[in-house]
Amino acid sequence: DAGVIQSPRHEVTEMGQEVTLRCKPISGHDYLFWYRQTMMRGLELLIYFNNNVPIDDSGMPEDRFSAKMPNASFSTLKIQPSEPRDSAVYFCASSLNTKGAFFGQGTRLTVV
Amino acid sequence: AQRVTQPEKLLSVFKGAPVELKCNYSYSGSPELFWYVQYSRQRLQLLLRHISRESIKGFTADLNKGETSFHLKKPFAQEEDSAMYYCALGGTGRRALTFGSGTRLQVQP
Repeated sequence: DAGVIQSPRHEVTEMGQEVTLRCKPISGHDYLFWYRQTMMRGLELLIYFNNNVPIDDSGMPEDRFSAKMPNASFSTLKIQPSEPRDSAVYFCASSLNTKGAFFGQGTRLTVV
Repeated sequence: AQRVTQPEKLLSVFKGAPVELKCNYSYSGSPELFWYVQYSRQRLQLLLRHISRESIKGFTADLNKGETSFHLKKPFAQEEDSAMYYCALGGTGRRALTFGSGTRLQVQP
């Protein structure tokens, strides 16, 4: 298995534009997580899904953020409109049972 | 509420010296503890999980429920161990992990 795959690896966009981050979890994993990493706040959980159903989205910072998981092999995190303070590395991770979460390479987002 | 505390932002040691990265947690249920490592600008990699009681790359960690700690140890540090280390907490009924703020380990030659 190639692991968790995220795209794009880097995204530079202008303030106000819509940004869509994509994630393909490890096949067979039933949990999917979206985290954001910044120097100031470290790793923050944004939202997670179980069997494609959102379980906890309390970490989503604002209504500008939304996430979907239309099927077991794909999820998106959308920011609309984007702001400079959204600049961060966004990680997707997936897990099965209690074996721990496996992370993707991350998407480095820069909003200018 | 769950909380993970890593008191040291930076730990600098010389090659061959012992290493201990501290992690304390707060959780009312039955905890599941993990250590992750992140090399420069790479993905977080699962290093250890307490339920496995394993040793990876010479690192070990023991869950001490009395002291609510899960410190990461290695008897002899190597330069390639230099990285960010994150302690993470999960638990029954909550699969999402809560991460500590991380400790940067710097191993000098």
